[in-house]
Amino acid sequence: VIWMTQSPSLLSASTGDRVIISCRMSQGISSYLAWYQQKPGKAPELLIYAASTLQSGVPSRFSGSGSGTDFTLTISCLQSEDFATYYCQQYYSFPPAFGPGTKVDIK
Amino acid sequence: EVQLVESGGGLVQPGGSLRLSCAASGFTFSSYWMSWVRQAPGKGLEWVANIKQDGSEKYYVDSVKGRFTISRDNAKNSLYLQMNSLRAEDTAVYYCAREDGYNDYWGQGTLVTVSS
Repeated sequence: VIWMTQSPSLLSASTGDRVIISCRMSQGISSYLAWYQQKPGKAPELLIYAASTLQSGVPSRFSGSGSGTDFTLTISCLQSEDFATYYCQQYYSFPPAFGPGTKVDIK
Repeated sequence: EVQLVESGGGLVQPGGSLRLSCAASGFTFSSYWMSWVRQAPGKGLEWVANIKQDGSEKYYVDSVKGRFTISRDNAKNSLYLQMNSLRAEDTAVYYCAREDGYNDYWGQGTLVTVSS
């Protein structure tokens, strides 16, 4: 089983800020990592897969980087619609697992 | 447009059973693995089970093994989750999702509440 951590668990930010969320694995997963955004009462939405590939239709202010055990999601210029919870997911090994989440709220 | 619509959730007593369904449209259902992912109230996401395109391979998280069964009917473009011996800790919103390693499309979810 691969253990996953995300930091921070809560991030208070303002519109226009650059936001960086970290996801760390207990063992290497190459680039088999995805990022999701979830708003209250809604299903998660895929933002990034293969660690750095932007899903079709996702704004370019979102970017992902990393490989092996350390990954980051960056939002270059936070917009009002970006206040949400973000989850990373490893799909390198069974069982596929999600990180505990990072809530981005308004400062 | 890809659409996934879950149904079948509701209130059930501990030890009871429930069958969730997911109707898929807008893509070639038989070409994709499919997953169930759940989210307990106020908690994070938990992968539950997945199934290969032809149903020949199925995998489960340990906590539901022997109690839940995932299945699909490619002729009906439908995914199912049969849940038996339900426990309070199974209370969650259950999402079906298309899988390509990661989950690129999700349904809106259906709430399962296990309580007496």
